[in-house]
This record gives sequence, C-alpha cells and structure tokens, in this order.
Amino acid sequence: QVQLEESGPGLVKPSETLSLTCSVSGGSISSYYWSWIRQAPGKALEWIGFVYYSGGHNYNPSLKSRVTMSVDTSKNQVSLKLSSVTAADTAVYYCASQSWSRSYRMYYFDYWGQGSLVTVSS
Amino acid sequence: DIQMTQSPSSLSASVGDRVTISCRASQSFSINLNWYQQKPGKAPELLIYAASSLQSGVPLRFSGSGSGTEFTLTISSLQPEDFATYFCQQTYSYPWTFGQGTKVEIK
Repeated sequence: QVQLEESGPGLVKPSETLSLTCSVSGGSISSYYWSWIRQAPGKALEWIGFVYYSGGHNYNPSLKSRVTMSVDTSKNQVSLKLSSVTAADTAVYYCASQSWSRSYRMYYFDYWGQGSLVTVSS
Repeated sequence: DIQMTQSPSSLSASVGDRVTISCRASQSFSINLNWYQQKPGKAPELLIYAASSLQSGVPLRFSGSGSGTEFTLTISSLQPEDFATYFCQQTYSYPWTFGQGTKVEIK
C-alpha cells in the first residue's frame, strides 16, 4: 500500500516561497500521477495541480503563475513550490496519488498523506 | 470552473439512521464524480469513485448514485465511525473541484 508523508517548513513569510516535499513509500513513484491539494482553515479542499514523473503536469489556473511541481525518482519524492505567498495561502497541504480508472476513464485520489500545515505570517 | 454544491452543509443523525448527501454540479458530465470522507485532523479517504463504484475496503453501507448534475452519497445505516465530513469532487474538467463538504454529526 502506498504511503505518503508531507514535510516542510510550518511557517513561511509573506512574499517568500513555500516548499513542501512528499515522500512516497510502498509503491513506484512512476506508477502514479501526483496531486497536491490544500485546505485553508474552515474551507473546502482546493486542487492545486498534478505532476507525473516524466515532468508532465497540469496546474490550477488560479495558482498556475506561482506553482511548480516536480518528481525526484531517485529519492521517491514529489515536491511543491508556491511563490509569492500571502496569508491566503495558509492551509494544510496534502499530496495524493492519482489513479486512472480504465473502465470509467477518469481519475480519483486513492492515497493521501496526513497533510502539512503551512502558516504564512511575518 | 465547475462549481460543486453539497447539501446539506451539516446534518445531525443517530446511529442506525439512513443518511443521504447531495452534490450538484454547475455543468453536466457523466460519472466523473468521487466521494471522500474526512475525520478531524486526518487526511481524506476515498469512498466512491465514478459516482457509484465502491473503493476497495469501504463498507457496503456506503453507496453512490447519479450522473449529469445530480449525485448522491448514501449511508444505509450510520455507524459511530461514520461521523465525519464528506466531500464530493469532479474530475471531469480542469481545474478539478470539490464541494464545500457535509459534516455529519451525532444527534
């Protein structure tokens, strides 16, 4: 079973870059697409985007200009960088594995990390 | 973007009750709809994908239905461990979007 664990600074200053890492175990990092999702306090989940080990990606247009995702196959890690952060970026950030249903031709998130709380404050 | 609207936003129910949660999409699509359960302080867990397919390991009391713009998650007999928040998600078109959540509380 795939296990995911997010890590990174819990506090980031406004205008700086948020950097998180998702460590993958129990499965091949090249077998899945990897999504990042965030949840601001008391808010709904927001999909940030996904990345594939080959470098292919798709980002939410609302964040696209500030987001970079990458996969390091040698370390079995997925990373997220979000630049020019503001208080509105304060949230729990989750990574999730994204599986494809061949029968229904659609994606779903089958494994999630526990989440990493990032607070943006000076 | 496709807006996903869940109703109700919260509900109170007793153990053994039948619970129904609705999810309405602002645009029509087929069955590209997933349901997740989230307990406080925990990551969401996949319950249902493709509107009605039960994820492996999920109890049979959970079921999903619907297509187009109207989707439903049903818990046939609520158990103590089911008190949580439930989210729907569409993966039909980018950006993928989630409903705002339905919190199921103990009556």
